[in-house]
Amino acid sequence: AQTVTQSQPEMSVQEAETVTLSCTYDTSESDYYLFWYKQPPSRQMILVIRQEAYKQQNATENRFSVNFQKAAKSFSLKISDSQLGDAAMYFCAYRESGGSNYKLTFGKGTLLTVNP
Amino acid sequence: NAGVTQTPKFQVLKTGQSMTLQCAQDMNHEYMSWYRQDPGMGLRLIHYSVGAGITDQGEVPNGYNVSRSTTEDFPLRLLSAAPSQTSVYFCASSYLGGVGGANVLTFGAGSRLTVL
Repeated sequence: AQTVTQSQPEMSVQEAETVTLSCTYDTSESDYYLFWYKQPPSRQMILVIRQEAYKQQNATENRFSVNFQKAAKSFSLKISDSQLGDAAMYFCAYRESGGSNYKLTFGKGTLLTVNP
Repeated sequence: NAGVTQTPKFQVLKTGQSMTLQCAQDMNHEYMSWYRQDPGMGLRLIHYSVGAGITDQGEVPNGYNVSRSTTEDFPLRLLSAAPSQTSVYFCASSYLGGVGGANVLTFGAGSRLTVL
């Protein structure tokens, strides 16, 4: 079974600085998707960024980028120029490609605090 | 366009009571699913559906029933609530197949359930 591990239960960063959240996963599949979701205190799950395993290029979305290392099964999230609104729980998630289950396997989350 | 709507947002039940969490989406998504979120556990898949009349079990299905009579609605039923079902429940939906962002899950705002 696939597993997703987030080894940092909590992280903090100063406003305007950069922080990296770690995620590793275990799978025997060669094609899959990886996601980072943000959950602010409002509880809403918000997609931050998505990576297809067959793409070697790291995904970026404005201040958010990933470092995808397929051989190492690592998928870290870098937040640049951190803002107070970035404070939230961040979840890394894995999904197999193909089929119709569309099941997401989540890590346990990293709580990010942004200090002014 | 309301997206994924969950009701109620909060509910308190006594052990043994029954209730239904409602989920509706207006995006014509074929795929719908229910997750539960517990502290320190991330989100785990309860049940999912790939279309009207088709449902299947996820990772933690015991104690829950689902049905899918229409494309729009996917209710989650607790027939005899137990304290172990105290959790936050999320409904999520997406298109099936497709490429790019077409099959990214859209989450509802969550329903917090407490079973005494």
